[in-house]
Amino acid sequence: EVQLVEYGGGLVQPGGSLRLSCAASGFTFRSYDMHWVRQATGEGLEWVSGIGTTGDTHYSDSVKGRFTISRDNAKNSLYLQMNSLRVGDTAVYYCARKVWGAGMDVWGQGTTVTVS
Amino acid sequence: DIQMTQSPSTLSASVGDRVTITCRASQSISNWLAWYQQKPGKVPKVLIFKASTLESGVPSRFSGSGSGTEFTLTISSLQPDDFATYYCQKYDAYPLTFGGGTKVEIK
Repeated sequence: EVQLVEYGGGLVQPGGSLRLSCAASGFTFRSYDMHWVRQATGEGLEWVSGIGTTGDTHYSDSVKGRFTISRDNAKNSLYLQMNSLRVGDTAVYYCARKVWGAGMDVWGQGTTVTVS
Repeated sequence: DIQMTQSPSTLSASVGDRVTITCRASQSISNWLAWYQQKPGKVPKVLIFKASTLESGVPSRFSGSGSGTEFTLTISSLQPDDFATYYCQKYDAYPLTFGGGTKVEIK
């Protein structure tokens, strides 16, 4: 079964750090671009960061310089290191698989980050 | 950065209605657009990619059209399972911006 499972969320004070992880299974992880998408309570989806198969990284302006995305293909894992956290970063964070030329077709269940 | 604007933000409709949601890009994105459905407490599900290609397993009552800057998602006959929030997303280049969402409510 194709699956993504996020963990690492929690409660952190403003200015603090947190590292999210996403464990992939059931597919060839190294062959896909991977992304983090977040959603604050009652709000819409916000793309946060993405990493390509070659390790190229991309960030939204709202997190650039504070968040770092990485992947470990040997461990089938995606990561998001979040530093200098702000109240506005409070959200459910989803990892998602993106197919080249198509949409994000596999999503994890999300992990909740609360900055307070 | 290219902005994605959806309209309406909320839509009230009845079962059996034909529903159309619009997504506009502030610059041309060719046909690099996906549509997602999200139900309360659930993760998003991709419905359409490349503006008009139906994702495998998605009912044929869903269709997408458009290119350049204007796109539409149409549900030909709204079913009870379709009451949800719908998002468009550009993926021509980074950032992969989502539209603000359209909530389809029961009339």
